[in-house]
Amino acid sequence: EPEVTQTPSHQVTQMGQEVILRCVPISNHLYFYWYRQILGQKVEFLVSFYNNEISEKSEIFDDQFSVERPDGSNFTLKIRSTKLEDSAMYFCASTELGLRTGNTIYFGEGSWLTVV
Amino acid sequence: RKEVEQDPGPFNVPEGATVAFNCTYSNSASQSFFWYRQDCRKEPKLLMSVYSSGNEDGRFTAQLNRASQYISLLIRDSKLSDSATYLCVVNVDSSASKIIFGSGTRLSIRP
Repeated sequence: EPEVTQTPSHQVTQMGQEVILRCVPISNHLYFYWYRQILGQKVEFLVSFYNNEISEKSEIFDDQFSVERPDGSNFTLKIRSTKLEDSAMYFCASTELGLRTGNTIYFGEGSWLTVV
Repeated sequence: RKEVEQDPGPFNVPEGATVAFNCTYSNSASQSFFWYRQDCRKEPKLLMSVYSSGNEDGRFTAQLNRASQYISLLIRDSKLSDSATYLCVVNVDSSASKIIFGSGTRLSIRP
């Protein structure tokens, strides 16, 4: 089964440092997403990306966050100056044709970020 | 009222038991409904979509009641491997920001 891959699986960083989380979506997918889940809380939407630009973002996705598709395969999430409250599991996801009824969203295994 | 609300559990049932979860949603414009399964510190994995007519996949049965705005999941003949958190997910429209996850219901199956 095709899969979304994420690296690193776990990163510990000091507060104020920049972090880049990497994702390789499924190869024929066109829509990419980042979600996050703070420990013990629900999964929350951060941002969606299509056709090399952000299509939607949530209130969480402030100026400290950015996304990029630097080449044909990687999709990255950058946090410029990490805060303690950025500690969470970050999930990358992709879909082939967006989120119309019947399309499945595939999640990567997640990158666990710990800010100390 | 929360957008998607689930009983957090935990549900602790013996192997072989039947267990049911409910989920309510607040937005009557919601279009698509799903149950996901999430193991500890793992990604959510699609268990099944939920259709208006109800649908079954092996030991799992999902129902949707649009009038009352709730979704249910029934697990029959539960196995130890069913232990996980079950997430109710509602897609209000085709917008990514409108996929709303419930907080999940924890299920623990004991031998």
